[in-house]
Amino acid sequence: DIQMTQSPSSLSASVGDRVTISCRASQDISNYLAWFQQKPGKAPKSLIYAASSLQSGVPSKFSGSGSGTDFTLTISSLQPEDFATYYCQQYNSDPLTFGGGTKVEIK
Amino acid sequence: QVQLVESGGGVVQPGRSLRLSCVVSGFSFRSYGMHWVRQAPGKGLEWVAVIWFDGSKEQYVDSVKGRFTISRDDSKNTVFLEMNSLRAEDTAVYYCVRAHCSSRSCYMVDYWGQGTLVTVSS
Repeated sequence: DIQMTQSPSSLSASVGDRVTISCRASQDISNYLAWFQQKPGKAPKSLIYAASSLQSGVPSKFSGSGSGTDFTLTISSLQPEDFATYYCQQYNSDPLTFGGGTKVEIK
Repeated sequence: QVQLVESGGGVVQPGRSLRLSCVVSGFSFRSYGMHWVRQAPGKGLEWVAVIWFDGSKEQYVDSVKGRFTISRDDSKNTVFLEMNSLRAEDTAVYYCVRAHCSSRSCYMVDYWGQGTLVTVSS
């Protein structure tokens, strides 16, 4: 199974900050990488697929990059509605696996 | 608009069975693969199973193989998860999730349902 490792597991940031979250795969997954946002008590929401493509309706302040084993999610200017937990997921091969999550909190 | 609505969750004793349903609307169900993803209380996301758009292929995480079965009824726009021999560690919110299919796979997910809670406890 492919292991997905996110870092950091949590971070504190202020409104307006640029935030970067990392995700590393235990083997090459090409660009088969997705990012999700989850707020407390809510279902996850899809943000990015194919490592860097935005899902329909997702604001451009979110961006993704990377290929192979190292990936990054960037939020260009953090807003109050962005405080949430973010997960990466590889969908290169079965079983699909998620990172452990990064909780973005208000500083 | 795209909607996925799960039902069937509840409290069940260890060793018993439960069937989850997910009714979808707002898109052509027959053209999409469907996944179940779960989340134990306070924990992260865990992929459970996928069924191809045409029902030709199913895949499962090892921990549920032989106990869970994913199926679909295209006439009812519904995907199911039949869960047998339930264990305490199956306690979680179960989400159904839509997936785009390519020639390679039905792995790229986009829309999620709101989830249904399954609690396995005596």
